[in-house]
Formats: sequence, structure tokens, C-alpha cells
Amino acid sequence: DTEVTQTPKHLVMGMTNKKSLKCEQHMGHRAMYWYKQKAKKPPELMFVYSYEKLSINESVPSRFSPECPNSSLLNLHLHALQPEDSALYLCASSQDREKTQYFGPGTRLLVL
Amino acid sequence: GIQVEQSPPDLILQEGANSTLRCNFSDSVNNLQWFHQNPWGQLINLFYIPSGTKQNGRLSATTVATERYSLLYISSSQTTDSGVYFCAFRRGSEKLVFGKGTKLTVNP
Repeated sequence: DTEVTQTPKHLVMGMTNKKSLKCEQHMGHRAMYWYKQKAKKPPELMFVYSYEKLSINESVPSRFSPECPNSSLLNLHLHALQPEDSALYLCASSQDREKTQYFGPGTRLLVL
Repeated sequence: GIQVEQSPPDLILQEGANSTLRCNFSDSVNNLQWFHQNPWGQLINLFYIPSGTKQNGRLSATTVATERYSLLYISSSQTTDSGVYFCAFRRGSEKLVFGKGTKLTVNP
């Protein structure tokens, strides 16, 4: 099983809302990732968790707040987003940071 | 940092045609992957291929690490092959870096 699941599939939120994106994997992977992808661009790394600890933050604004409650779950908490934050948010996991990454289907976020 | 260039940026084929996509990188890497992103946004692993040749059905990939390039071959293309093909690489535990992609359209 190489499945990474993400919820919700679509999300529309206002600039004053607080929402969360959820990612789950049951492959026993110990590294999990959040990527942001704008239209017609490649994915860009936001955060990396390794063994449930944040190991990379690619200078992401504080209105994005990641959380790794356990080895299978990764959340991305959103607060006071801007319209330019509208994008496809992809979660990925890998056995460790040097192994192949597997991606979830993504959450399409629209900020109004 | 390492630069990666994919070519061609866009490719339009008739169903049944063959194609070759290329990924050039500016320095040595020890982790190279090919992905297909379908029109719904799902990124699907095609190959993990730091060197050598691999085949999976109608798709095959070859990486020549010493010459810093990788090729993805698609034979007998189908409309379901449409989407964007990315190569991505990493050195050690550094972040995965994606090329800009090749957008493939296969017409019936």
C-alpha cells in the first residue's frame, strides 16, 4: 500500500477564517512533507517532518502552521491567509528523508 | 544549487505515437525520480532511477549520471498519458527539487 490520503479535496476560505488540512499515511514512513503548487508551476517544498520533528521550514509565513501529532498524521493549520495563497497543497511521505517520496492527491485551496 | 532543465516544455502527440522526454541536471545527484501529474493534480511516482535503465509497461527511463541527464520514454501513447511529467532530484537528505515539467497532450 503506497497511499497517502488528504482531506479535504477542496477548500474555500475567507481571509479571516481558520482551517486545517489533514494528511495521513499508514506505510510506516517516518518523513512527511508539505508542498505548495501554483498553477503551471512545479511543487515547492514548505515543510519537512522527520521522526515527528520539524526538520525543514522553507521560510514559510507564520500564517501556515504545521503539526505532526503522530507518525501517521500531518496537519497544516491555516489562519489569516491571503488570496495569493490559493494553490494546490500536496502532502508526501517517505521511509526516511533519503528515500522515494509518495504524494497524496492534494487539497485545492481558494482564498477569497 | 543544482539546476535542472526539462525538455521539451510542451509536447502534443497523436494516440499511438512514441515520445522521449529529457531532464538535464547541472551537478551529480544520487536520487532522481520521474513523476506524472494527471489533470486532477495527483502526482504519481513513475520511476526512482539514480542510474541505469528501468521499464514499466509502456514506460521506460534511463539515467546516465556521469553525463547528468535522464530520459523518459513513452511508447504507444494513450490519452490517459496526458498531463505534466516532472523529473525531481535530491542529494542525500536535501530537499527534492523539481524541474519545470513537460506538459504532454495526447489527442485521440
